[in-house]
Amino acid sequence: GAGVSQTPSNKVTEKGKYVELRCDPISGHTALYWYRQSLGQGPEFLIYFQGTGAADDSGLPNDRFFAVRPEGSVSTLKIQRTERGDSAVYLCASSPGNRDTQYFGPGTRLTVL
Amino acid sequence: TQLLEQSPQFLSIQEGENLTVYCNSSSVFSSLQWYRQEPGEGPVLLVTVVTGGEVKKLKRLTFQFGDARKDSSLHITAAQPGDTGLYLCAGTYNTDKLIFGTGTRLQVFP
Repeated sequence: GAGVSQTPSNKVTEKGKYVELRCDPISGHTALYWYRQSLGQGPEFLIYFQGTGAADDSGLPNDRFFAVRPEGSVSTLKIQRTERGDSAVYLCASSPGNRDTQYFGPGTRLTVL
Repeated sequence: TQLLEQSPQFLSIQEGENLTVYCNSSSVFSSLQWYRQEPGEGPVLLVTVVTGGEVKKLKRLTFQFGDARKDSSLHITAAQPGDTGLYLCAGTYNTDKLIFGTGTRLQVFP
């Protein structure tokens, strides 16, 4: 079956621009997570959805970052006024429910010039 | 802030050698997971341990959870080039989010 997919796979943007990153979770998975992985480091938690609602957004670094999951399936991570420090791989994961195994997508590599 | 320290950060070995990777925290985990990540891909779960002192084996990989549930180790016997990758430990602390370690990059040469 299809795994978690993320688009685009690569995104290059200029400082100050707005970007959207998309995550398609595994069908039927109610939980969806966003992580950010900087070069040479482990992933860092950003936000977690249970259904349509954000159950935990404590990892979002500031108010330039926002994520939605309006229908409880696809999620979009939105970054306003991008900065060079936002450059990283943004990973999405989904799981069948609370505290189940998380299945990761391949990530979107964001480069802010 | 919970921190997970992994050691070593980098490891380069010859095929057939044994190795151990360590994961340590000052906090008690609810559960701990080990992942392997290859370039351009997301992490893939290898194992989950939840009980202090637990040992799990996956072919040539042996995972151990410390008695106090603050540390874990991954031991690989007779490493092969296919074992090359980034190994990540990740803990949960009564929440759903994963707190990842700093990672160990393993290179196995034929």
